[in-house]
Amino acid sequence: GAGVSQSPSNKVTEKGKDVELRCDPISGHTALYWYRQSLGQGLEFLIYFQGNSAPDKSGLPSDRFSAERTGGSVSTLTIQRTQQEDSAVYLCASSFRGGLYEQYFGPGTRLTVT
Amino acid sequence: GENVEQHPSTLSVQEGDSAVIKCTYSDSASNYFPWYKQELGKRPQLIIDIRSNVGEKKDQRIAVTLNKTAKHFSLHITETQPEDSAVYFCAAHSGGSNYKLTFGKGTLLTVNP
Repeated sequence: GAGVSQSPSNKVTEKGKDVELRCDPISGHTALYWYRQSLGQGLEFLIYFQGNSAPDKSGLPSDRFSAERTGGSVSTLTIQRTQQEDSAVYLCASSFRGGLYEQYFGPGTRLTVT
Repeated sequence: GENVEQHPSTLSVQEGDSAVIKCTYSDSASNYFPWYKQELGKRPQLIIDIRSNVGEKKDQRIAVTLNKTAKHFSLHITETQPEDSAVYFCAAHSGGSNYKLTFGKGTLLTVNP
């Protein structure tokens, strides 16, 4: 079946512009995660959605970052007024129920802020 | 919240040798510990996991051990091959209603032919 997909695969934007990154999780997966991975770095947790529960936003680095998940499926990560330090690969993952289940990662969106 | 420490950050071995990566966690209620492998330019993928009701799990050349008393778990790769070269991430899941996984910072393993 189809895995986790993300779009766009690459995004180059000018400093100060807003960007939207999209994640399509595996059908039937109730948990969805966003991570940020800078070059050669680990997986920085950003936000976690589980079913209809309030999202865990504890990893969002600033109020310029926000995310939503519509209808328990597709998720959008929005970065407002982008800064050069926002340049990274943004990974989305989904799992069947949450932390006790395998996370399936998408291919990521490489964001470059010039 | 949970805190996961991973060591070493880099590890270089000769082909055929064994490699060991260690992680510690802070939440004694954690009960699920997966390991993910990320090859260069690719997405992370689960390679093995262990739950708190067992102390060791093996899958061919890889094994994971868990010491709940000491709150640490380790990944063991035997007879390493060049294709084992990748970044390995450990993670821990706390019990209770918070289903979030907390990842370690990763170990870059290089297997030299």
